[in-house]
Amino acid sequence: DAMVIQNPRYQVTQFGKPVTLSCSQTLNHNVMYWYQQKSSQAPKLLFHYYDKDFNNEADTPDNFQSRRPNTSFCFLDIRSPGLGDAAMYLCATSSGQGGDIQYFGAGTRLSVL
Amino acid sequence: SQKIEQNSEALNIQEGKTATLTCNYTNYSPAYLQWYRQDPGRGPVFLLLIRENEKEKRKERLKVTFDTTLKQSLFHITASQPADSATYLCALDMDSNYQLIWGAGTKLIIKP
Repeated sequence: DAMVIQNPRYQVTQFGKPVTLSCSQTLNHNVMYWYQQKSSQAPKLLFHYYDKDFNNEADTPDNFQSRRPNTSFCFLDIRSPGLGDAAMYLCATSSGQGGDIQYFGAGTRLSVL
Repeated sequence: SQKIEQNSEALNIQEGKTATLTCNYTNYSPAYLQWYRQDPGRGPVFLLLIRENEKEKRKERLKVTFDTTLKQSLFHITASQPADSATYLCALDMDSNYQLIWGAGTKLIIKP
């Protein structure tokens, strides 16, 4: 039973064409995260929400935006994708307590042509 | 500078042997340390968590040790199987702002 679901699994977009990735969760967790992961690299946190409180990492480009309309859903918008934005995008959730573990979706592989 | 180091080279182990993966960190004092498994093209999956005041944690064939003096965690898989082949990531939990600090992972290959 998938608890964190990402759609689509694979996304191909053109250079500069906006794209939206989605994430939903059935865990009722307070915290939702978006990570970018490139090959053989650590997941890089882009931003996270605690409930509706949005926290942007200092080095996340302005090209990346996020929305969390309710507890269950979170979206990642890439306004003008560049070739360097091709990566795996991972959504994760946690309950928001100390010693908390993160539950990940299967990821969306983004290709930019 | 603050960093986490995991072996960047793949670790090749013969089936049935014990695989040992290393996670070293500098300039952090984590409250917890977590290990995750990541298969190609998938998201990480949680395996084990160890607290700063714990020396060792076990779960089935998995064992994690945590030495806060050496700033090192070791992750062991005993009686390894080809199905254990994956990338294993360590992550530090500073017990603040809900974030984990991730290593880049070590790719483990178990040969039949």
